[in-house]
Amino acid sequence: ETGVTQSPTHLIKTRGQQVTLRCSSQSGHNTVSWYQQALGQGPQFIFQYYREEENGRGNFPPRFSGLQFPNYSSELNVNALELDDSALYLCASSASRTEAFFGQGTRLTVV
Amino acid sequence: QQPVQSPQAVILREGEDAVINCSSSKALYSVHWYRQKHGEAPVFLMILLKGGEQKGHEKISASFNEKKQQSSLYLTASQLSYSGTYFCGTIDQGAQKLVFGQGTRLTINP
Repeated sequence: ETGVTQSPTHLIKTRGQQVTLRCSSQSGHNTVSWYQQALGQGPQFIFQYYREEENGRGNFPPRFSGLQFPNYSSELNVNALELDDSALYLCASSASRTEAFFGQGTRLTVV
Repeated sequence: QQPVQSPQAVILREGEDAVINCSSSKALYSVHWYRQKHGEAPVFLMILLKGGEQKGHEKISASFNEKKQQSSLYLTASQLSYSGTYFCGTIDQGAQKLVFGQGTRLTINP
């Protein structure tokens, strides 16, 4: 148990739809990072939030956006879903540049 | 910049040793090691912060050579439970984001 929880655990969406994934960070952690993991690949960095501000972004298009709330929980929003967006989405909670703990992930399938 | 791991896959018999390497082209602030089992989230193993630092976690240990921008994970007397994919993650000097390598799949056979 890492104390990091994600919801929902599984989701099926249709191409073109929008989706919101949620992450509750571990107590005492002020940083949340989001990753996309395709089957057989390593987690790919989407972006990171620190104290409600985005402070790093990977090579993902603007239709991937996020928020961090005052309690440090976070949302990942993806607009105009594409088939290639099907993946496991992981959030990781940390206290700045220290060890990061992952939630169990949200398995998104786009059909 | 994504770190590079080697080898891509290892198959061992229970009780054998393994070494997984991670290298970066950039100066590193820290190296993080994770293990992921099929269908599960990555689990944190250890973090290394200083040049030449070595850490241990039961029969799993790691070293970090800051000058060479390399880290190695050592698994000794492997157990069946060690099977999974191992990822190294790195944070560059002056950066915030943790970036992962492509993973090393470790299979332990009885």
